[in-house]
Amino acid sequence: EVQLVESGGGLVQPGRSLKLSCAASGFTYSNYVMAWVRQAPTKGLEWVASISTGGGNTYYRDSVKGRFTISRDNAKNTLYLQIDSLRSEDTATYYCAKDRGLFFDYWGQGVMVTVSS
Amino acid sequence: DIQMTQSPPSLSASLGETVSIECRASEDIYSNLAWYQQKSGKSPQLLIYYASSLQDGVPSRFSGSGSGTQYSLKISGMQPEDEGVYYCLQGSKYPLTFGSGTKLEIK
Repeated sequence: EVQLVESGGGLVQPGRSLKLSCAASGFTYSNYVMAWVRQAPTKGLEWVASISTGGGNTYYRDSVKGRFTISRDNAKNTLYLQIDSLRSEDTATYYCAKDRGLFFDYWGQGVMVTVSS
Repeated sequence: DIQMTQSPPSLSASLGETVSIECRASEDIYSNLAWYQQKSGKSPQLLIYYASSLQDGVPSRFSGSGSGTQYSLKISGMQPEDEGVYYCLQGSKYPLTFGSGTKLEIK
């Protein structure tokens, strides 16, 4: 059974940093592109970033380029999202997702990030 | 960036009614379109991928169609458990973009 379990969220002050993790199991993690998708409270879904199987290629939405870093550890079956210079507009539930061809077939339960002073 | 225009924003349907949700892309996305259902407080669930392929375990009353820039999701016979918000996602190129969502309720 595919499982994606996010962690690392919380309440953070503007300008601070946070690192989200996603522990994957139930599939051959190193064979799949992985992604982060977020959803602000009461809003729609927004793709944030994706990373290739080996980690050598990364893709970001424009609004997070330079502040967010997606990475992966294939030995630990874990996906990461480093978020720097947090802004109020980054407040959202962040989902880890398994990519099966530029669509997502499995999602984690999500982790909440709240940016507020 | 490819813009995804989804309609209608909300929909109310009776039990057993057939409903359709549309997504229009700002350019050809070559059937690289997926549909998701999100129930309140839950993660999105994949329904359809590559415009018309039904994800394993999804009831056959869900179907997808379309090509080029126009796509649709059809639910043939609304059930109470179909309430939720539906999103389309284009996977033709980065940045991946979602439609704005359609809230489906039972009448």
